[in-house]
Amino acid sequence: SAVISQKPSRDICQRGTSLTIQCQVDSQVTMMFWYRQQPGQSLTLIATANQGSEATYESGFVIDKFPISRPNLTFSTLTVSNMSPEDSSIYLCSVEEGSPADTQYFGPGTRLTVL
Amino acid sequence: GENVEQHPSTLSVQEGDSAVIKCTYSDSASNYFPWYKQELGKRPQLIIDIRSNVGEKKDQRIAVTLNKTAKHFSLHITETQPEDSAVYFCAASSGGYQKVTFGTGTKLQVIP
Repeated sequence: SAVISQKPSRDICQRGTSLTIQCQVDSQVTMMFWYRQQPGQSLTLIATANQGSEATYESGFVIDKFPISRPNLTFSTLTVSNMSPEDSSIYLCSVEEGSPADTQYFGPGTRLTVL
Repeated sequence: GENVEQHPSTLSVQEGDSAVIKCTYSDSASNYFPWYKQELGKRPQLIIDIRSNVGEKKDQRIAVTLNKTAKHFSLHITETQPEDSAVYFCAASSGGYQKVTFGTGTKLQVIP
């Protein structure tokens, strides 16, 4: 499976600021996904990022709050904007592989704490 | 959209016993059902998956069963070991770059 890395691994931020999380894959992938996992909770899909087009956001998530870039087939960024303590979560990127391409593999995650 | 329910939310078993986690899904178009294991502070890791054209799949101590008619699938872990302690998530997807919907998770504790 693809090797996925994320930066930063963790961060502590002040409310009102923004943080950009990077996701790098060691092979070209069509779709990349961004998830949020709040403490003790399941994984919630934020958006799907396809190279060359705007990301598709799930209900409850908006582009102004979580802008996403997908400049090429191996890289994506998620920005958490104007942060509040409620944004404290683990943010994970994932990619789909296989034939058919439906098995998701996850990056190590970014643990965000907003004070 | 798809809704995946998972039970129980917590499960404690003695080492060597079996553990069973059950999930139901709502969308009949779903045809791919992966299971993930997430250890504390780690990323979710795929442990087994099953597609809708198969009723059962086994990999060593882990097995998954699927009942398409009833829209439910289950994870079975036999001869549990302390290293099986983790949170397990079921999921459902209609495949091919479609959205994967996750269950709420089951925290499994294997008592030595």
